[in-house]
Amino acid sequence: GAVVSQHPSWVICKSGTSVKIECRSLDFQATTMFWYRQFPKQSLMLMATSNEGSKATYEQGVEKDKFLINHASLTLSTLTVTSAHPEDSSFYICSADGLAGSSYEQYFGPGTRLTVT
Amino acid sequence: DQQVKQNSPSLSVQEGRISILNCDYTNSMFDYFLWYKKYPAEGPTFLISISSIKDKNEDGRFTVFLNKSAKHLSLHIVPSQPGDSAVYFCAAFRDDKIIFGKGTRLHILP
Repeated sequence: GAVVSQHPSWVICKSGTSVKIECRSLDFQATTMFWYRQFPKQSLMLMATSNEGSKATYEQGVEKDKFLINHASLTLSTLTVTSAHPEDSSFYICSADGLAGSSYEQYFGPGTRLTVT
Repeated sequence: DQQVKQNSPSLSVQEGRISILNCDYTNSMFDYFLWYKKYPAEGPTFLISISSIKDKNEDGRFTVFLNKSAKHLSLHIVPSQPGDSAVYFCAAFRDDKIIFGKGTRLHILP
């Protein structure tokens, strides 16, 4: 079945630095990718929707200059957390909509745990 | 190894009847479980959750049942409405990590 990978799975960074998280669709072309954030014991919060080759659409309250999203190809989207602060520590998940076989499906990545010290 | 399984890729239910979506899991250490609903080209929206210490949680038309001995949970929607047609994802949370099933596409028939 279709697989979505995320790299890294876990990252620790110092306050003020930037961190890039990659989301890849491994065996299908992802026309749309979504980025989510999850706080402990809470549900997913959609941060932004990205379509290949165009600017991401951010949800209300999400700072586009802080969370840079690039969807440069049909198999790769990146989320860069710029000037990270401890409050950015969270679990970040991506998902990809893509044609797998004869139908469109959505597949979730395994997530990236970001800890900002 | 698929830790969260939704064995039915699709389900069709008559409008007004009960929709029952099933989910099985393999790890007894999950802390809680969630159900999400997704429309095409949109991100999933949270529906309802249940803690591993409970066996039932109800919210309006949605009820989730958890059978820990069988490692099985189900989402009941009653009565089913046309707007319920969507893909439903079951997810489990453990060690600060959320694991999704592959989803079940629900079709509500008029």
